[in-house]
Amino acid sequence: GDSVTQMEGPVTLSEEAFLTINCTYTATGYPSLFWYVQYPGEGLQLLLKATKADDKGSNKGFEATYRKETTSFHLEKGSVQVSDSAVYFCALSDRDGNNRLAFGKGNQVVVIP
Amino acid sequence: DGGITQSPKYLFRKEGQNVTLSCEQNLNHDAMYWYRQDPGQGLRLIYYSQIVNDFQKGDIAEGYSVSREKKESFPLTVTSAQKNPTAFYLCASRVGTNTGELFFGEGSRLTVL
Repeated sequence: GDSVTQMEGPVTLSEEAFLTINCTYTATGYPSLFWYVQYPGEGLQLLLKATKADDKGSNKGFEATYRKETTSFHLEKGSVQVSDSAVYFCALSDRDGNNRLAFGKGNQVVVIP
Repeated sequence: DGGITQSPKYLFRKEGQNVTLSCEQNLNHDAMYWYRQDPGQGLRLIYYSQIVNDFQKGDIAEGYSVSREKKESFPLTVTSAQKNPTAFYLCASRVGTNTGELFFGEGSRLTVL
């Protein structure tokens, strides 16, 4: 079945550092891909999305490019702030009609001043 | 404002009791979902519904029940058969296309005493 794999473990970095969170996927069709962010004690919010190969999603300084050849959708930000501290989830939605999303396990990001 | 409302935000339950979590949306979305979130395990799908009066089991439906009598409402009952019910529960909705994102509520934290 469809699945999403995120890199293991939390990510700790200093303010203004470069952030990368890896995401790879397995899908039978041509999925849409999403990044969600979750702040402590809250629900998930959509951060960005891409619906076809080579599309780049961007929002709030974050970017991710849909790479079909490597089945990846890595999240990047050039200069993080303390307010970016949160949990980040990669997700996919396939076009097979079952209307389900598959989520990765999430990565805790901690930005230190 | 349009959105998804979950209640209660915090709930305590004694072992052996059933409890119902409310989820209401005014986004006119067709599809609604219930996820369970545990530390380090990401989001796991409990039940989902694509139209009124119809719903499907997700990956961890045992010990849970749902109903979808109205488009706006998708309550989740955590029954006494659920062996480990303490968790953070998230409700979400979606327009219904596979390219569309999920919109999440703020979540309900259930603790079994």
